[in-house]
Amino acid sequence: GESVGLHLPTLSVQEGDNSIINCAYSNSASDYFIWYKQESGKGPQFIIDIRSNMDKRQGQRVTVLLNKTVKHLSLQIAATQPGDSAVYFCAETGGFKTIFGAGTRLFVKA
Amino acid sequence: SQTIHQWPATLVQPVGSPLSLECTVEGTSNPNLYWYRQAAGRGLQLLFYSVGIGQISSEVPQNLSASRPQDRQFILSSKKLLLSDSGFYLCAWSVIGDGYGYTFGSGTRLTVV
Repeated sequence: GESVGLHLPTLSVQEGDNSIINCAYSNSASDYFIWYKQESGKGPQFIIDIRSNMDKRQGQRVTVLLNKTVKHLSLQIAATQPGDSAVYFCAETGGFKTIFGAGTRLFVKA
Repeated sequence: SQTIHQWPATLVQPVGSPLSLECTVEGTSNPNLYWYRQAAGRGLQLLFYSVGIGQISSEVPQNLSASRPQDRQFILSSKKLLLSDSGFYLCAWSVIGDGYGYTFGSGTRLTVV
């Protein structure tokens, strides 16, 4: 179910390094997955998506990997920049309802 | 293009006062609409969703209610606010068949004092 009431895990990376944010999803029937970025005081913004018939998709500086065997999703950010500091949510959809993960807070150290 | 408007951006209300948050969507028809709440430093909690005018589904029992008087208008209300209603409220829309992706509004920061 939705991860409500949990404090967000945090990831701290050095500027210029690569970041990897992980997410375990719950429903093996989910067929569509999305990563969102939420900056402080704003609503989540779409970053990248992937369908269950794929295991990798690349965007600009971001890559999403999907491992259906272990129900694991990851977001890789290349050459992390200060502007990447935010909370990142994964989301899974299998039908009408979307389930959001608890989120991970990414801190980028200059 | 599709846009979503949510207001107000911030709100400070006394305990026991009423609440009305409004969300409107432009550029799409018959969207699925959602209200989420986010406590500070925490994840997203789905409060209500609507698949059509007048159709409201509630996910958790609470002090809040929702209404959808028009296709692209979604309202979150309360008759008497509680301290525990404080949080960041997000409206979102999606269209089935369009990848199920959500578009979120900019949020309303509600502080009940």
